Amino acid sequence: AQKVTQAQTEISVVEKEDVTLDCVYETRDTTYYLFWYKQPPSGELVFLIRRNSFDEQNEISGRYSWNFQKSTSSFNFTITASQVVDSAVYFCALRDVRNGNKLVFGAGTILRVKS
Amino acid sequence: GAGVSQTPSNKVTEKGKYVELRCDPISGHTALYWYRQSLGQGPEFLIYFQGTGAADDSGLPNDRFFAVRPEGSVSTLKIQRTERGDSAVYLCASSVTGPSAGTEAFFGQGTRLTVV
Repeated sequence: AQKVTQAQTEISVVEKEDVTLDCVYETRDTTYYLFWYKQPPSGELVFLIRRNSFDEQNEISGRYSWNFQKSTSSFNFTITASQVVDSAVYFCALRDVRNGNKLVFGAGTILRVKS
Repeated sequence: GAGVSQTPSNKVTEKGKYVELRCDPISGHTALYWYRQSLGQGPEFLIYFQGTGAADDSGLPNDRFFAVRPEGSVSTLKIQRTERGDSAVYLCASSVTGPSAGTEAFFGQGTRLTVV
């Protein structure tokens, strides 16, 4: 079965600290896609990144970076020098390619960045 | 429009009533998805449209839930005989092609449904 686990329910950091959000996934597929979404208080899910299972190269985009490790089935997300505007709920998701390509989401991690 | 639009943003209804939630996807997007997000949880898939047809409705919890997309654009999620357990945020998303595995979906701001 497809499953995504985000073990951290809530994280609080002080501005400028680095923070890593963990994501562990389960899938029987050899080809799969992983996503991260940000959900600010407004409620809209904002797409951050998509990664396919063939590309294990880590990615950096500004203060954001992602560490994809197939050996541990993890796709962790790091925010460097966090800012108050980063406060949101962050979701990791797995695309279920066997069932209509719908997204299977983790429960989310609430990130609170204090000034 | 510029993004996925959902109306109303909030809906309060009495138990047993019928409600309709509307989704206006990004222009030209052929795929449309409905998800439900309960408090403290991640979104859960309900139904997926490719064009006018429901390609996958396996996530609909029971026959009180129904969705349509008659012209392949706007979609309406319909809930009959609402129950308090239906209270949640209903999210709509659209994507530019069919179920291409790599295509990301763009989400609306959701409709917060409260059944009292």
